[in-house]
Parts: sequence; C-alpha cells; structure tokens
Amino acid sequence: QLQLQESGPGLVKPSETLSLTCTVSGGSISNSNYYWGWIRQPPGKGLEWIGNIYFGGTTYYNPSLKSRVTISVDTSKNEFSLRLSSVTAADTAVYYCAKGATGVGYGDWGQGTLVTVSS
Amino acid sequence: DIVMTQSPDSLAVSLGERATINCKSSQTVFYSSNNKNYLAWYQQKPGQPPKLLLNWASTRESGVPDRFSGSGSGTDFTLTISSLQAEDVAVYYCQQYYTTPVTFGQGTRLEI
Repeated sequence: QLQLQESGPGLVKPSETLSLTCTVSGGSISNSNYYWGWIRQPPGKGLEWIGNIYFGGTTYYNPSLKSRVTISVDTSKNEFSLRLSSVTAADTAVYYCAKGATGVGYGDWGQGTLVTVSS
Repeated sequence: DIVMTQSPDSLAVSLGERATINCKSSQTVFYSSNNKNYLAWYQQKPGQPPKLLLNWASTRESGVPDRFSGSGSGTDFTLTISSLQAEDVAVYYCQQYYTTPVTFGQGTRLEI
C-alpha cells in the first residue's frame, strides 16, 4: 500500500520561500509508470494544481505559479519536494502531495499539511 | 487553459435517491488516438484529501461502490450516484488530465 506524507513548516513569513517534502513509502518513486504532483487548497476553497514531476525529472507547472515554483525528486530518499518562493497570504493553503499513474488521475494522496503565510 | 465548470454548486438529495453532478470542459478532453476521455472524478470529505472515484470519465477505481457511475464524452460529463447513502455527503470535483495545466472544477457540495 503506497503512502505519501507531507512535511515542512506550518508557518512561513511573507516574501520567504515555502519548502515541503513528500516522503513516499510502500513503493518506489522511480517507478516509470508514476508521476508525482503537488496540489493545494486554500481554506474553504477548491483544488489548485501546482505541478507534476515525471520519471526522468520532467516537470510541468501551473503557469500562474511557474515563476515561483520548483518541484524536484530525491530518489535516494524516495521523496519529492516543493519550493514556492516569494510567498504572500494568498499562498496560505493545505498542500497535498499525490501520485498519479500513466494516463490516470491522482490515485494516492498525502493527508495534507496546512501552510500559513503570516508575519 | 481548459476551464472545468461544474453544476450545480450545491445539491441536496434524499437518502436512497439519485444524485447527478455535471461537469463541462471548455475544450475537448477526448483523445481520439485511444478513444479515452481524460477526465477524473474525486470525492472529498471534510478534513480528508480527495479520493479518486473514476478515471477515463467512467472507469471506477478499485473499491468504489457501483452506485457511483460516470458518463459523457468530449466536453460534457456526468457523475451519478444511483442511491444516495449518508456516507456520500462530500464535495465532488471533476478534473481534466488531458493537458497541462491540470485543472479542476470548482466543486459540488452534496448534502442530504
């Protein structure tokens, strides 16, 4: 049973960089059939896609965030990470990591972590 | 970007009755090369991550009760719950994965 777990600071100051890690257990992050994504959900609102990383390291980002987002993989630790720079209060959200498989949606999700941007 | 628009925004259905949620995409999400619609449906209960219900617009994930069904093709899709159970109270989202950026509908809140 694949499990994903987000970790990182729950409070980030405005203009700083949000950094989160998703640790994958019960399966290999190097599986070529999988892709890995970050999705966020502001309190009381809907889901916003942040980006995906694919086998081999190819990344795709939401154009609305592209200039501030980096998603990377550390295969030695079986984890992938999100960095979002120059954050503002609008970046306050529950951040989810998730796994998709070739040609399908996100079948496995982490429990989510609330990140608040505030001084 | 492909815009996903769900209707209605909220819905109240009696136990045992049918619930229908619609999702419309601003562009087709149908790949003619494999005859598949790149459309997924999710269920999200309070305090939980979304749960994938259906892929390819109509293929249920393992373990999803058969009262959940999906239909449609191209730009118009429907999620149907044939006989509403109390545990189905949730927010439902459609998502296109035809192209990036991946986009979600705004969600439909389903209540008893």
